[in-house]
Amino acid sequence: GAGVSQSPSNKVTEKGKDVELRCDPISGHTALYWYRQSLGQGLEFLIYFQGNSAPDKSGLPSDRFSAERTGGSVSTLTIQRTQQEDSAVYLCASRERGNYNEQFFGPGTRLTVL
Amino acid sequence: GQQVMQIPQYQHVQEGEDFTTYCNSSTTLSNIQWYKQRPGGHPVFLIQLVKSGEVKKQKRLTFQFGEAKKNSSLHITATQTTDVGTYFCLGSGAGSYQLTFGKGTKLSVIP
Repeated sequence: GAGVSQSPSNKVTEKGKDVELRCDPISGHTALYWYRQSLGQGLEFLIYFQGNSAPDKSGLPSDRFSAERTGGSVSTLTIQRTQQEDSAVYLCASRERGNYNEQFFGPGTRLTVL
Repeated sequence: GQQVMQIPQYQHVQEGEDFTTYCNSSTTLSNIQWYKQRPGGHPVFLIQLVKSGEVKKQKRLTFQFGEAKKNSSLHITATQTTDVGTYFCLGSGAGSYQLTFGKGTKLSVIP
């Protein structure tokens, strides 16, 4: 089947605008992660969803960031009132339940805030 | 909280030289995974280590998990230009679901 998909692939927005980034995980994968990767940097954990459990939001950098996962499948990451420092690649990953399973990454959304 | 330190941050080698990256965790891990990210691409899973002292090989790549399950290494023998990219380790905390990525080691191979 298809891998993890993300949309849009690129997003350019003006400072202060809101953006929504979408992630479609692999069917049947109960765990979903959002990461942020600034240019040339490592992966910064943002949020983790596991099944119907309350998400782990400990990595969200500010209250301008939020995410939801509807029906245990598609997830949307929302950034309100974007700032220039939000410019980065936002990666989504999914895996089957259990820490012993590999994460499958989507291609990412490159966000540029002007 | 759990922290995973990865060194070096960058490594430039001549083609044919060996390369090693190291990850050290502040806490005992249940398992560690390694990922490779090619320039412009997304991370791709390479391997997982679970057992104390485990060693796994994939062609020119050798992965080790320390006896105390707090450190790991990835060694590439005789690097090739196709090895270029950033290598990340991902540690899973023992007894928890907490996952922590190392900052990554960016490998450049000079032909």
